[in-house]
Amino acid sequence: DAGVTQSPTHLIKTRGQQVTLRCSPKSGHDTVSWYQQALGQGPQFIFQYYEEEERQRGNFPDRFSGHQFPNYSSELNVNALLLGDSALYLCASTRGRFDTGELFFGEGSRLTVL
Amino acid sequence: TQLLEQSPQFLSIQEGENLTVYCNSSSVFSSLQWYRQEPGEGPVLLVTVVTGGEVKKLKRLTFQFGDARKDSSLHITAAQPGDTGLYLCAGTASKLTFGTGTRLQVTL
Repeated sequence: DAGVTQSPTHLIKTRGQQVTLRCSPKSGHDTVSWYQQALGQGPQFIFQYYEEEERQRGNFPDRFSGHQFPNYSSELNVNALLLGDSALYLCASTRGRFDTGELFFGEGSRLTVL
Repeated sequence: TQLLEQSPQFLSIQEGENLTVYCNSSSVFSSLQWYRQEPGEGPVLLVTVVTGGEVKKLKRLTFQFGDARKDSSLHITAAQPGDTGLYLCAGTASKLTFGTGTRLQVTL
């Protein structure tokens, strides 16, 4: 039973470029959430997808967008990259609209913006 | 905006010592979770507390949820090097909001 898988694990971009990160949820899960984690800090909620729609969004600009596919996998897109976007991007999955259930996290995609 | 402040931010102790990590908020949460994150990995759930005043024990770890459901604590007894990591509290309302994190280092 595969857990949450993310790709790529590491990537380097330059300012102004665009990036797409991918996530496959744990088997049986249909809800995907994305988090941004700066070094040494707690993860910050970006948004959550359920039934292919963005259900909730954190305090992130429109440069951050996402998508969920019929197979429940998800993508996070960031446009016009800034140096401050350098962080670990975590994907987490659960079953159903998130309430108090356990989130299962992937190992993350570490993005460095130069 | 719901904020969860953790203290201390960083803790370095020797094997065998006891420690307590605090998680405080001005907001009420329907439940609170504690995660541990090791370098290069995503957070892993340790426990979920739901009822105000609830105490849960997981081997040498004791978790408590405040009576008002605004705060929580994690107590580790006889810390071991394997306890080293980033400890995160997370409050659940309509989404999961993480605390600022406590980095624990346990040395021999």
